[in-house]
Amino acid sequence: GIQVEQSPPDLILQEGANSTLRCNFSDSVNNLQWFHQNPWGQLINLFYIPSGTKQNGRLSATTVATERYSLLYISSSQTTDSGVYFCAVDSNDYKLSFGAGTTVTVRA
Amino acid sequence: GAVVSQHPSWVICKSGTSVKIECRSLDFQATTMFWYRQFPKQSLMLMATSNEGSKATYEQGVEKDKFLINHASLTLSTLTVTSAHPEDSSFYICSARDPSGTIEQYFGPGTRLTVT
Repeated sequence: GIQVEQSPPDLILQEGANSTLRCNFSDSVNNLQWFHQNPWGQLINLFYIPSGTKQNGRLSATTVATERYSLLYISSSQTTDSGVYFCAVDSNDYKLSFGAGTTVTVRA
Repeated sequence: GAVVSQHPSWVICKSGTSVKIECRSLDFQATTMFWYRQFPKQSLMLMATSNEGSKATYEQGVEKDKFLINHASLTLSTLTVTSAHPEDSSFYICSARDPSGTIEQYFGPGTRLTVT
């Protein structure tokens, strides 16, 4: 199956800092999504972005499908941004394969 | 975005008993739903695909007789953990996509199962 690698595994930020999370995948994809898992376990949809660039407030994402990677940018981080960020992809069957996640800790 | 609910949010059961978890699409009809399992500090792993009106398909290594899936309607899929054991304790999450939209998937809030 398709392999998904996320980096870095852990990220500690001071409030107000910017950061970039990366997701590499091993094959062409039909779907790529970024999620934020909150402390209660709920997966919050951040972006559906199989290609191109999108922005939503302080978050933005870019997927370069031809080079098989996606980036999630967090600007002016806040303590509420803390949590685990997952990248997930599917190639052709709607079955999502998840990366191991990046644990983000934002300190006040 | 589309809304997916799960019930219960958490459940504690004794070893050897069975537990049923419900997954509902609240504002759309889902012919296909997915069940994932997440152990502490780990990522989500797909367990099975639930198909309305037909048998579920299971991922390699998932025991179909232990994890019974029923997709009886276009808005409801159930996962029954039969003869639960402590090693089945985990966080179970379902997902679905709205077929009238993109292939983006939406996830339920999850069910935390503890088997004592």
